[in-house]
Amino acid sequence: QVQLQESGPGLVKPSETLSLSCSVSGGSINNYYWNWIRQPAGKGLEWVGRIYSSGGTNYNPSLGSRVTLSVDASRNQFSLNLGPVSAADSAVYYCARGEHDVDVWGHGISVTVSS
Amino acid sequence: DSEVTQSPLFLPVTLGQPASISCRSSQSLVYLDGNTYLNWFHQRPGQSPRRLIYKVSNRDSGVPDRFSGSGSGTDFTLKISRVEAEDVGVYYCMQGTHWPRTFGQGTKVEIK
Repeated sequence: QVQLQESGPGLVKPSETLSLSCSVSGGSINNYYWNWIRQPAGKGLEWVGRIYSSGGTNYNPSLGSRVTLSVDASRNQFSLNLGPVSAADSAVYYCARGEHDVDVWGHGISVTVSS
Repeated sequence: DSEVTQSPLFLPVTLGQPASISCRSSQSLVYLDGNTYLNWFHQRPGQSPRRLIYKVSNRDSGVPDRFSGSGSGTDFTLKISRVEAEDVGVYYCMQGTHWPRTFGQGTKVEIK
């Protein structure tokens, strides 16, 4: 069965760029949509963006031009770049699979924005 | 954005009794393909969300049949026929029809 694993730094300085990756195992990244969703501590879920395996993207307008998603099908991996960041970007970041119906989630990675 | 509003936000329940959570969208969730993309998730503390229901009323594999989803258009409901101890946590609805995808605020279910 498909499993997702987030990786990246747990601490990012304000005004810098947050970079996370999601590795897909147990299945192919091809022909699926892949998403990033975040959850500030003690709060609800917010959609960040999604990317199709061939590279097409959709971003949450609330994040403006700060977010970029990319995919590396040869490595069965996709990535998130968000910057410049502020304390408001501190959250658990989840990667997840799905177009309309998100079915598989990673365990999440906690990212703190602090100097 | 298509806003999604859940109620109640806090739901104390008695073991063995039914429970119900409402989810309302600011726009119809019927998509161009005729499907209605309304999902329900359950999240326990320290865990990632787990999908329970997709397309309004379809239970995911392994989800107990005490969970059921219903509704149409803009009004949806998740029902638990008899609450068990493992059902505590936060429940979220999520619309997958409009961009950006949006979640309800979450309903925290606790045992009385």
